[in-house]
Amino acid sequence: KAGVTQTPRYLIKTRGQQVTLSCSPISGHRSVSWYQQTPGQGLQFLFEYFSETQRNKGNFPGRFSGRQFSNSRSEMNVSTLELGDSALYLCASSLSGVAGGNDSPLHFGNGTRLTVT
Amino acid sequence: EDQVTQSPEALRLQEGESSSLNCSYTVSGLRGLFWYRQDPGKGPEFLFTLYSAGEEKEKERLKATLTKKESFLHITAPKPEDSATYLCAVQSVGRDDKIIFGKGTRLHILP
Repeated sequence: KAGVTQTPRYLIKTRGQQVTLSCSPISGHRSVSWYQQTPGQGLQFLFEYFSETQRNKGNFPGRFSGRQFSNSRSEMNVSTLELGDSALYLCASSLSGVAGGNDSPLHFGNGTRLTVT
Repeated sequence: EDQVTQSPEALRLQEGESSSLNCSYTVSGLRGLFWYRQDPGKGPEFLFTLYSAGEEKEKERLKATLTKKESFLHITAPKPEDSATYLCAVQSVGRDDKIIFGKGTRLHILP
């Protein structure tokens, strides 16, 4: 069974630009959640989509947005990039949501490393 | 405000030297506490979920325990392949299903 696939693996952008990251969940998983990981703040929850609807959102500015398609694939967009947006962006899929329980654990992709210069 | 604090930040052990990692949490009501392992350049890998105080889960050399204020990840006779960052996360009972991660413990097992 294929795992969670994130593309691209690495991205270099300039301040002020925008970027779109892609996540393909495990087949059959309807929940996709996104996280930002930095050395200083650790792993922080961005938002979760379930059946094409945003179900939860973390404490990030509106420059961070996302969407989910009917095939459960998800994209995350960051507009007007800032230097502080440099991070590893991870997505995770699960059967039922971010609860991550034994019967529906979060399966993470290997992330997209975004560098903003 | 819900918080998760992991200690120590980093830990170096000799192969075979058992130890424990700590995860302290402050939440209004615990829905679940999760442990993940993250290897360099990879996403976190699910290890355990604990739901209530007194619960324990085991997997190979790892054992996770839970009290009302903290969780421990005990590593018995570790091997170099156990080297990784171990992340703790909590989900609180509330109006949404946000998950809060600790900053992790970097574990290095020396052969």
